[in-house]
Amino acid sequence: DAGVIQSPRHEVTEMGQEVTLRCKPISGHNSLFWYRQTMMRGLELLIYFNNNVPIDDSGMPEDRFSAKMPNASFSTLKIQPSEPRDSAVYFCASSSPWSPGEQYFGPGTRLTVT
Amino acid sequence: DQQVKQNSPSLSVQEGRISILNCDYTNSMFDYFLWYKKYPAEGPTFLISISSIKDKNEDGRFTVFLNKSAKHLSLHIVPSQPGDSAVYFCAASPGGDQFYFGTGTSLTVIP
Repeated sequence: DAGVIQSPRHEVTEMGQEVTLRCKPISGHNSLFWYRQTMMRGLELLIYFNNNVPIDDSGMPEDRFSAKMPNASFSTLKIQPSEPRDSAVYFCASSSPWSPGEQYFGPGTRLTVT
Repeated sequence: DQQVKQNSPSLSVQEGRISILNCDYTNSMFDYFLWYKKYPAEGPTFLISISSIKDKNEDGRFTVFLNKSAKHLSLHIVPSQPGDSAVYFCAASPGGDQFYFGTGTSLTVIP
């Protein structure tokens, strides 16, 4: 299994631009999570989906952030417009219904907004 | 508000000795706890877990201890090896899919 796939691995963009991060979960996993890692707050849960339905988006920092999961094998996290304080590493993770507590993380996307 | 806290941002240990990483939580509803390990430029990987009905869970060199009354858990690594050098995150859940992570502790095992 290829594991959770994220793209791009690195993204550098200018303030005000739209940024789209992509995630392909592990096949058969029914829950998908988007996290943001910062030095100050560690790993923050932004939003998670169960069976493609958003369950909790209370961690999404502002309306500039949105996430979609159109099908079981793809999800996007979009930031529009981006700001320098959005610079962080964004992780996608997925889990299976048989081991809901064990999340499998992708390699992350390092976002830099200048 | 940080519900899961790892107050030591870093820890250095000599190879062969014990590494003890600590984690505190504030929510008494948390009933499932995990430790993840993260190498640079990689995503975190699951290491070990414990449910609130236990106070200890062991897997090889890794043991997690849970003290519910103190709302504290710890990860012991014995003996520590240079390959254990990584950032360790603890996470807690009140049930279901949602987990709250700490800020991480960077462990360095000195050969």
